[in-house]
Amino acid sequence: DGGITQSPKYLFRKEGQNVTLSCEQNLNHDAMYWYRQDPGQGLRLIYYSQIVNDFQKGDIAEGYSVSREKKESFPLTVTSAQKNPTAFYLCAASPTGLGGTDTQYFGPGTRLTVL
Amino acid sequence: AQSVSQHNHHVILSEAASLELGCNYSYGGTVNLFWYVQYPGQHLQLLLKYFSGDPLVKGIKGFEAEFIKSKFSFNLRKPSVQWSDTAEYFCAVNARGDSNYQLIWGAGTKLIIKP
Repeated sequence: DGGITQSPKYLFRKEGQNVTLSCEQNLNHDAMYWYRQDPGQGLRLIYYSQIVNDFQKGDIAEGYSVSREKKESFPLTVTSAQKNPTAFYLCAASPTGLGGTDTQYFGPGTRLTVL
Repeated sequence: AQSVSQHNHHVILSEAASLELGCNYSYGGTVNLFWYVQYPGQHLQLLLKYFSGDPLVKGIKGFEAEFIKSKFSFNLRKPSVQWSDTAEYFCAVNARGDSNYQLIWGAGTKLIIKP
């Protein structure tokens, strides 16, 4: 069954702790993305990666970090520097990430709550 | 900065009614336009997209959208909705330039179809 998997589905964390959200894809797509979704707002891009070992900041990268050591994996770390981390996080992948016409394929999301 | 506006946050219709969901964007250059949909319990998925050619684009499940450049609009339509169209619909836009084709998303429209 091809697609994007994210784990865990729900995550709780205490203030001041870093937490890592997992994203794996078996679509063999080059590009991967992390978005944040807050109630009543559209998705906002945190980071994206068009190729292994390379990634770019999106609009709201502050307080987040990523790595892309393998094509199929793009984990997101929410650090204690992120002022308001409680949100729904979506991971996506697309074939190339070039030219702007790619379809993005999404995972089920992780809901992070900071206690 | 680019922005995408979806006029209605919630829409309630009866089955067989016609649907039009509005989407306007702020960028004046060449754009690529997308509608994504999230059915209850499912991943966000592509409904249709436009990047060139015939400005009337047909997507899955009988949906279509018309790109009107002079109005900066990409409204989604369906002549007769079904209960299974209950979902949240997102408009997204990207463009060449400094944003490197980063998708800018609208806030979404929650559509409820009454049986």
